[in-house]
Amino acid sequence: NAGVMQNPRHLVRRRGQEARLRCSPMKGHSHVYWYRQLPEEGLKFMVYLQKENIIDESGMPKERFSAEFPKEGPSILRIQQVVRGDSAAYFCASSPLGAEAFFGQGTRLTVV
Amino acid sequence: DQQVKQNSPSLSVQEGRISILNCDYTNSMFDYFLWYKKYPAEGPTFLISISSIKDKNEDGRFTVFLNKSAKHLSLHIVPSQPGDSAVYFCAASFYSGGGADGLTFGKGTHLIIQP
Repeated sequence: NAGVMQNPRHLVRRRGQEARLRCSPMKGHSHVYWYRQLPEEGLKFMVYLQKENIIDESGMPKERFSAEFPKEGPSILRIQQVVRGDSAAYFCASSPLGAEAFFGQGTRLTVV
Repeated sequence: DQQVKQNSPSLSVQEGRISILNCDYTNSMFDYFLWYKKYPAEGPTFLISISSIKDKNEDGRFTVFLNKSAKHLSLHIVPSQPGDSAVYFCAASFYSGGGADGLTFGKGTHLIIQP
C-alpha cells in the first residue's frame, strides 16, 4: 500500500503563472487535507475535502487558491497568478474516517 | 496570534538520555493534541496523541503529558536514539475524531541527538 503521493516534488513558476499540485491519497482513504509551510514556520491548515466535496476551507486564501477532489483521480490544489509569497512547501494528508492522517512528502513551490 | 507555541527552536540531547520537548497553547477549546516528527524533505509522521480528558499517553519510548490547567503539553523520549534527530511539531485540534481537519501546528523544535 503506497503512501500519500504528491507530485511534483519541486515546482518552479514565474510570477503570474498557474501552479497545480497533485495529491493521490492512500488506498481506502476518502479524506484529504492540504497544509502549507512557509519558511521557518509551522504547517498551516488550508482545506479539507472528501470526494467531490469541500468540507472545510477556512484556511484557504480567498483569492487565487482553489482545491478539488474529484470522484476519479487525485486531489488538486490550484494557485492562479502566483506571487513570490506563495513560495512554500505544500503538504497533503489523507485519512479514513475517524483515524489518524498520513502526510505526503510535499511539493516545494518556488516562484521566481 | 500563535495559538500553539514551541518556544525552543532547537534542543540537543546526549544519546541514551531523556529528551523533553515542550508545547504551550492558548485556546482552551482544543480537545486533542498530537506530536509529529519530520525529517528534511519528507512529510510529517504522526508519533503520538492525547485527548484532553487524559493527562498521559504512552507508546514505547514516547510519552506525552498534558497539563490542562497550565495549557501545556510535553513529549518525553527515553532513551533518546540517533534516529530521533528530527524536527518535532506539536499540533492541536478542536476535534477528537481523528483526521487532520484544521490542525494548528507549532513552529517546531529541532531535536539533535549527540552520540
